[in-house]
Amino acid sequence: GAGVSQSPSNKVTEKGKDVELRCDPISGHTALYWYRQSLGQGLEFLIYFQGNSAPDKSGLPSDRFSAERTGGSVSTLTIQRTQQEDSAVYLCASSFPPSGNSYEQYFGPGTRLTVT
Amino acid sequence: AQSVTQLGSHVSVSEGALVLLRCNYSSSVPPYLFWYVQYPNQGLQLLLKYTSAATLVKGINGFEAEFKKSETSFHLTKPSAHMSDAAEYFCAVTPSGFQKLVFGTGTRLLVSP
Repeated sequence: GAGVSQSPSNKVTEKGKDVELRCDPISGHTALYWYRQSLGQGLEFLIYFQGNSAPDKSGLPSDRFSAERTGGSVSTLTIQRTQQEDSAVYLCASSFPPSGNSYEQYFGPGTRLTVT
Repeated sequence: AQSVTQLGSHVSVSEGALVLLRCNYSSSVPPYLFWYVQYPNQGLQLLLKYTSAATLVKGINGFEAEFKKSETSFHLTKPSAHMSDAAEYFCAVTPSGFQKLVFGTGTRLLVSP
């Protein structure tokens, strides 16, 4: 079946502009995660959605970052007033509820964001 | 808080040689541990996972890892390296199967002919 998809695959934006990154999780997966991968910081957790529960936003680096998940499926990560340090690959992952030993997160290919 | 440490940002092996990538974890509760692989310009692919069942875990592409609680380690091994194994490998921990992954800094595996 289809995996996690992300769009766009690449985004170049000017400093100060807002950007939206999209994630389509695997159908039926109730958990959705955003991570950021950058040279200086490695792989960092950003935010986690689980069903209808309040999201875990503990990894968002500043209030310029926000995310929403509509209808328990598609998620959008928004970065306002982008800065050069926001340049990174943004990865989305989704997972099943735990059943048996099915705990893995399935990752999308990422969106490479470049802020000029 | 949970964390993982990967020793060696780069590991070089010859084709056919043993691969050993080291991962030590810190967790106040029984952890779930994962190894992911990332090929250039691609997302992360799960190699294997430890979720408190067998301590020796076998994964895809001939990789395996052994959970050693006494050493707080979860090292990744493969008996014989292939050129196609060249990639970046990440160890990750989570205190339960349904929360955020905390990643190590990654180890780039280089395989020479």
